[in-house]
Amino acid sequence: AQSVSQHNHHVILSEAASLELGCNYSYGGTVNLFWYVQYPGQHLQLLLKYFSGDPLVKGIKGFEAEFIKSKFSFNLRKPSVQWSDTAEYFCAVNAHQGGKLIFGQGTELSVKP
Amino acid sequence: DTGVSQDPRHKITKRGQNVTFRCDPISEHNRLYWYRQTLGQGPEFLTYFQNEAQLEKSRLLSDRFSAERPKGSFSTLEIQRTEQGDSAMYLCASSLGLTSDTQYFGPGTRLTVL
Repeated sequence: AQSVSQHNHHVILSEAASLELGCNYSYGGTVNLFWYVQYPGQHLQLLLKYFSGDPLVKGIKGFEAEFIKSKFSFNLRKPSVQWSDTAEYFCAVNAHQGGKLIFGQGTELSVKP
Repeated sequence: DTGVSQDPRHKITKRGQNVTFRCDPISEHNRLYWYRQTLGQGPEFLTYFQNEAQLEKSRLLSDRFSAERPKGSFSTLEIQRTEQGDSAMYLCASSLGLTSDTQYFGPGTRLTVL
């Protein structure tokens, strides 16, 4: 079955701490991978995406993610978080040809000033 | 604002009533998606359209749910005989319809069934 698993439901960090959010997927075939972010009171926004090529992708606001095919993982990282990064983060996957997204259950990140 | 728009933003209804939501995608986006999100969960796929053709429906979409995209532009999602379990955020997204493309989400319609 197609699925996405996010390891952490709630992460609490202090400003300037490093962040890594885990994401593993189960999906047959070639995939596209995404991280979306939902800031409080706002709608889902794309943080970064991987379609092909360099497995290390950079997104907005200093975020990056690494696709490790052998581990079926697409972990999100940021070297130094800010209070404004407080949000819910969703990992998602779909087939390479597009179509429905399968989302993880989300990770709520709280950054203490 | 040229993003995806949804109307209404909030809907409160009584159990058994019918409700209809509207989604206007980004102009020139061929694909339009509907998702449902409940508290503490990621969005779950409901259905999607390529232009006016409905290409896939989730098993989550019971017979009480119907979606249309009659002219390949805006879409409507109707829920008949609402149940309390239908309470959720209903999200719409659109994309260009390319092999590898990005879905852009609207603000959602929050449905509360009393």
